[in-house]
Order: sequence, then structure tokens, then C-alpha cells
Amino acid sequence: GAGVSQTPSNKVTEKGKYVELRCDPISGHTALYWYRQSLGQGPEFLIYFQGTGAADDSGLPNDRFFAVRPEGSVSTLKIQRTERGDSAVYLCASSLGGQVGETQYFGPGTRLLVL
Amino acid sequence: AQSVTQLDSQVPVFEEAPVELRCNYSSSVSVYLFWYVQYPNQGLQLLLKYLSGSTLVKGINGFEAEFNKSQTSFHLRKPSVHISDTAEYFCAVRPAGGGNKLTFGTGTQLKVEL
Repeated sequence: GAGVSQTPSNKVTEKGKYVELRCDPISGHTALYWYRQSLGQGPEFLIYFQGTGAADDSGLPNDRFFAVRPEGSVSTLKIQRTERGDSAVYLCASSLGGQVGETQYFGPGTRLLVL
Repeated sequence: AQSVTQLDSQVPVFEEAPVELRCNYSSSVSVYLFWYVQYPNQGLQLLLKYLSGSTLVKGINGFEAEFNKSQTSFHLRKPSVHISDTAEYFCAVRPAGGGNKLTFGTGTQLKVEL
């Protein structure tokens, strides 16, 4: 079946602009996660959704970052007033029910470059 | 809070040789442990995970890892590597008692040479 998909695959924007990154999880997966991977680093947790609600947003770096999942499937990560330091690969993952030991399946990521 | 240390940023190895990628973690609570592989321009793929039971865990593509609680380690091994194993490998932990976020190490680039 289809895996996690993310669009766009690449996004170039200018400092100060607004961007939206989209994630389509595996069908039927109720848990969805966003991570950010900077160059030479491992992924860092941003936010976790269980259904439509954000169950843990402790990883969002500041109030310029916001994510939604209005219907419990597709999620959008929104970044306002982008800064050069926001340049990274943004990864989305989903899992079946949010149980602690279950596998998170990752998408290919969106590579964001802020000029 | 948890942290993960992958001691080697790069590991070069010849094809058909054995390899070990090291992972150590720090946590005040019990954790579940994971190894993911990332091929160029692809998403992270789960290799194996340790939740409980036998400390030797076997995964896909001939990889295995051993959980050592006293040394807080979860090293990844393969007895004979192939060119196609060239990729970035990430070790990750997650609290066993609750919480869903994975904490990753900085990764180890495995380069298999002929």
C-alpha cells in the first residue's frame, strides 16, 4: 500500500515569507508526527497528533511554527516569518494507533531552504 | 529526558566484512530502542526495535542488535555487509512508560566499498 507522502519535496523561500508543508499519512493511521532534521543531525521531534488534536507540541521551537490536522488525516505544518535557521528537512511519520512501542513510518521529507 | 550518542559519524568497511555501529543512550526511565536506516532521498525505514524480552533483536536485511542495560548500549551489527547497505543509520529511543516522541542520535554514515 501507499506510504507516507509529503509535498512539496523541495521548497525554496525568502526570509520572512510564510510556508506550508503537507503530510499525507498511511490510510487508517491515527497518530501523526512531525520531525525536523538539520544538516548533519538526527531528526528532532516537533509535534504529535492523535486524531485531530495535538497531543504533544513540546518540540515546536517557537510561535512561528504551527501545525493542524483538521480531519484526522492530512496534516499541514505552517511556518510564519521564515528565518534562515529554519532551513532543514521536515519529516512526517505516522503510526497505527499511537501505542508506545509501535513503529512510526516516515515519509521522504520536505527539504526547506530559506534564502 | 533521553539522549542518544552515536560515537562514529562515519564507518567505512569493505564489502563482505562485518560491521558494528555503536549506540549509547542516557535515560532516567526505561526505554524502547530503535534502529532506522535512511537511504539517499528516501524516508527513514525501521530496521529493528527492542521493546522487551530477548536482548538480541533481529531485523531486516540481516541486521541485528543487542540491548545491554548495564552499559546502556544498543549496538547494531551485521556479519557481512553489501554495497547496498551504504546509507545513514540512526539509533533512537522512546520512553517505555509513555510518550510518543522518538529521540534520535546524530547518525552514522556507513560506506561499503568494494
